Amino acid sequence: AQKVTQAQTEISVVEKEDVTLDCVYETRDTTYYLFWYKQPPSGELVFLIRRNSFDEQNEISGRYSWNFQKSTSSFNFTITASQVVDSAVYFCALSGRSNDYKLSFGAGTTVTVRA
Amino acid sequence: ETGVTQTPRHLVMGMTNKKSLKCEQHLGHNAMYWYKQSAKKPLELMFVYNFKEQTENNSVPSRFSPECPNSSHLFLHLHTLQPEDSALYLCASSQDRGGSLSDTQYFGPGTRLTVL
Repeated sequence: AQKVTQAQTEISVVEKEDVTLDCVYETRDTTYYLFWYKQPPSGELVFLIRRNSFDEQNEISGRYSWNFQKSTSSFNFTITASQVVDSAVYFCALSGRSNDYKLSFGAGTTVTVRA
Repeated sequence: ETGVTQTPRHLVMGMTNKKSLKCEQHLGHNAMYWYKQSAKKPLELMFVYNFKEQTENNSVPSRFSPECPNSSHLFLHLHTLQPEDSALYLCASSQDRGGSLSDTQYFGPGTRLTVL
């Protein structure tokens, strides 16, 4: 079975602070894929990143960075110098062959950035 | 229009009404999905279509009836719904299914459904 755990339900920060969102996953697949999506108040899930289990390089995209650690089954997401527009619900997701590549989503973390 | 669009964005219906949700993708994808997002619950996959054929029905009640006339359009027909069906219904599409870079799903803005 596949499972994604986002232990942080809500995080509130002041603008310009860094915020790190935790994601821990469980899977029996040797090859799998990890994702982060952002859901602003408008409702649409916006794709942020996809990571292949074979690629453990960390990635940076502007103010966003991702830390993939296979040894601890974690795929954490950091927003640097947060802005009010970063306020949203962030979902971590996992897909793999054992689940027919369906996305298994975590419960989401609500990030509120205060001006 | 670009990406994945959904109409209507908001819908209020009574339990005896019949309505339909529409999803259209402008990405040239072959797979389309319906998800249900209820408050305080993880996203639930409802249906999957691949090349217009339904490949997944995740034990969804028959009061929800999907239709995929072509790879660009997906409908969700609703009838005799219950108040607990109130939720955000999200449509998504992907180029392919099955563990490749092209199976990344892209989502529409959703339809906020309220059943009275």
